[in-house]
Amino acid sequence: GQNIDQPTEMTATEGAIVQINCTYQTSGFNGLFWYQQHAGEAPTFLSYNVLDGLEEKGRFSSFLSRSKGYSYLLLKELQMKDSASYLCAVGRDDKIIFGKGTRLHILP
Amino acid sequence: DTAVSQTPKYLVTQMGNDKSIKCEQNLGHDTMYWYKQDSKKFLKIMFSYNNKELIINETVPNRFSPKSPDKAHLNLHINSLELGDSAVYFCASSPISDLGLNNEQFFGPGTRLTVL
Repeated sequence: GQNIDQPTEMTATEGAIVQINCTYQTSGFNGLFWYQQHAGEAPTFLSYNVLDGLEEKGRFSSFLSRSKGYSYLLLKELQMKDSASYLCAVGRDDKIIFGKGTRLHILP
Repeated sequence: DTAVSQTPKYLVTQMGNDKSIKCEQNLGHDTMYWYKQDSKKFLKIMFSYNNKELIINETVPNRFSPKSPDKAHLNLHINSLELGDSAVYFCASSPISDLGLNNEQFFGPGTRLTVL
């Protein structure tokens, strides 16, 4: 089976840094995805980690530790447009299992 | 051009009716998916097709029947609609079925189904 945990909601200030954690338990791990979903819109791909370590992509970085079943998404220089849900998702076999998402609120 | 498109965007119908949602992708991808996102925003896979063949069926009631006439289309037909079917249904596509580096999924805009 699989279990993916991430905080339900977080709040941060414009210009600051926020880290969204995700822990998972799964059989047949095949990579860790992060997706962004604005209210009323479709999810969009942010990152994919299959090896341990940090992947940086502009203001967003994603970290993975397979031995700990742990990942985080780091958002720097927060902007108001970053207000969205962030979905942690685990690749297993030939499908992706999504967590319930973290709703991130950005305050001016 | 929209990469993954779905129609209709909104669908309101009575309990017991039969309805279809259409999905098309122009990305040349081999694999297409249907997801259901409920009121709690939990996104759950329903089906996956690779080159018109069903590869994943996540214990979805058989009232739901996907149909893939070609690899660019994956339609979802729902019989005898129930109140609990109300949700947003997302179609998605990816280049290959095997998960690999950067094998992201591209989502359609979603279809908001409301069953009254």
